[in-house]
Amino acid sequence: EAQVTQNPRYLITVTGKKLTVTCSQNMNHEYMSWYRQDPGLGLRQIYYSMNVEVTDKGDVPEGYKVSRKEKRNFPLILESPSPNQTSLYFCASSSRLAGATDTQYFGPGTRLTVL
Amino acid sequence: AQSVAQPEDQVNVAEGNPLTVKCTYSVSGNPYLFWYVQYPNRGLQFLLKYITGDNLVKGSYGFEAEFNKSQTSFHLKKPSALVSDSALYFCAVRPYRDDKIIFGKGTRLHILP
Repeated sequence: EAQVTQNPRYLITVTGKKLTVTCSQNMNHEYMSWYRQDPGLGLRQIYYSMNVEVTDKGDVPEGYKVSRKEKRNFPLILESPSPNQTSLYFCASSSRLAGATDTQYFGPGTRLTVL
Repeated sequence: AQSVAQPEDQVNVAEGNPLTVKCTYSVSGNPYLFWYVQYPNRGLQFLLKYITGDNLVKGSYGFEAEFNKSQTSFHLKKPSALVSDSALYFCAVRPYRDDKIIFGKGTRLHILP
């Protein structure tokens, strides 16, 4: 089954404690992206990656890091989380090959609470 | 600045009536346009997209959207609403020759029985 998986689904942590949210896709997609969803603000793109070892900032990259060492994985790293990073996070992937639909497939989301 | 606007936070429609969820955008060039739906406690699901060609595009669950270049709009429509259409709807834009994706703030659709 084609899917995007994220782990963990729920996480409560404390300020300053480094954490990683994993994202993996099994569709051989080139493009992967992280978003955060906040009430009244919709989805905002944090980082995206066009392919292995190619990453770029979205609209709200401050306080986040990403890496793309393998095509299927795109982890989101919060090195020193703060309460304003409490949010619902989504990973997504899509194909950017010529003629591809460019439709994004989303993971189930990770609800992060930073105390 | 490039942006996507969904002017209505919430839309209420009686079951069986037609529905419209509005989206306007401000980006350079000819963008790719998308609609996604989010059901409670779920991730986002693709509904439909406009890349090029016919301005009226049809998608999943009986939804359609009309691309209007002069008004820079991409409104989502359905001729007859179902209670099961109640969800949060997002309009998204990929600007021409850009790799970023810009989402609107979302519109909550309530279909009243």
